[in-house]
Amino acid sequence: AQSVTQLGSHVSVSEGALVLLRCNYSSSVPPYLFWYVQYPNQGLQLLLKYTSAATLVKGINGFEAEFKKSETSFHLTKPSAHMSDAAEYFCAVSARAGRRALTFGSGTRLQVQP
Amino acid sequence: DTAVSQTPKYLVTQMGNDKSIKCEQNLGHDTMYWYKQDSKKFLKIMFSYNNKELIINETVPNRFSPKSPDKAHLNLHINSLELGDSAVYFCASSPFSGGSSYNEQFFGPGTRLTVL
Repeated sequence: AQSVTQLGSHVSVSEGALVLLRCNYSSSVPPYLFWYVQYPNQGLQLLLKYTSAATLVKGINGFEAEFKKSETSFHLTKPSAHMSDAAEYFCAVSARAGRRALTFGSGTRLQVQP
Repeated sequence: DTAVSQTPKYLVTQMGNDKSIKCEQNLGHDTMYWYKQDSKKFLKIMFSYNNKELIINETVPNRFSPKSPDKAHLNLHINSLELGDSAVYFCASSPFSGGSSYNEQFFGPGTRLTVL
């Protein structure tokens, strides 16, 4: 079974500062990994995904994440935060075969200060 | 041109009532899911259907009964609603389940259920 752990339920950064949201996964085999964003009172939107091609994955809105097998991590970064990035971010994992439901982390709320 | 739609968006009801939430996708996907997001924002899979066949059924009370009349629709019926059922319910769909190829899940806007 897969699982993900998101370190830090709340992260606050200043506008223009680096954003780093942490995600570690647990899986017996390399899984598929995802980052989703949820804006207030909205559904989930896929930011980016890792499916075994390049380990550095670029997503929408300037976000990227790096898959590090040795650290079982898939941290999300953005060089310069914008006020519009304020949202809840979820890391998720799924198996590569068979059961394909997503297992989500507990989420990290990103606040961006002016 | 909404990809995954849910109705209603908000649902307020009394304890003990029976209610349904509907989900439709126009993406031609084979697999659909129901997820529950609790008050602490934690998301968890409830059910999954592939081509109208139930393939995932987590440890959900049997008061919850999904129904898939066709592969574009997955409805969720809840009997005898309890306070603890208050949550946001998300429907999602993906191209297929099984095999070894990746498939992305597309989420609906959610249905906020409040049980009084």
